Amino acid sequence: SQTIHQWPATLVQPVGSPLSLECTVEGTSNPNLYWYRQAAGRGLQLLFYSVGIGQISSEVPQNLSASRPQDRQFILSSKKLLLSDSGFYLCACTYNEQFFGPGTRLTVL
Amino acid sequence: AQSVAQPEDQVNVAEGNPLTVKCTYSVSGNPYLFWYVQYPNRGLQFLLKYITGDNLVKGSYGFEAEFNKSQTSFHLKKPSALVSDSALYFCAVRDEYPLGGATNKLIFGTGTLLAVQP
Repeated sequence: SQTIHQWPATLVQPVGSPLSLECTVEGTSNPNLYWYRQAAGRGLQLLFYSVGIGQISSEVPQNLSASRPQDRQFILSSKKLLLSDSGFYLCACTYNEQFFGPGTRLTVL
Repeated sequence: AQSVAQPEDQVNVAEGNPLTVKCTYSVSGNPYLFWYVQYPNRGLQFLLKYITGDNLVKGSYGFEAEFNKSQTSFHLKKPSALVSDSALYFCAVRDEYPLGGATNKLIFGTGTLLAVQP
């Protein structure tokens, strides 16, 4: 069965600093991968998805970017964080249904 | 456009009583429907899905959901609630695979907080 790892688990960053969140997947190959943000502990917003290495689709314009350098690695980045980037970031992959990682809690101060 | 609605922000139920968490959907093709549960500061956990077949779908932890095409609903149910069922529940829909490939993107509802009182 597939397992999704995310790190770090929590992160506190100042406004204007860079960001790199990592997601890796075990137990499946060539998965579809997704980055979601959950603000205020509620609704999920799909940020990016990828159907293969180097293939990234952005769902909403924003301060963030994503990359997929390897089949089972998905990275979420920013050059300069904004206060509004705070939230709970979830990585997911699809194998029949979507499975989610444990999430990263990002606080931008 | 595809959409999912969860009309209740919160559902309160006493332990031992039946529970229902409501979900309605709107899609252009045949719906693929899902329920997920989220405990505080955790990722989402898959509960159950409807793809085709029987309208009553059984899932994890004693949960089940009833697909109703005429009412475009997919309500989550459990005959007897437990305090440990208290969590945030999400309904989601995925449209049929588009021609040329599938992104398998899900559209999530806004979530319903289930509070089970002892």
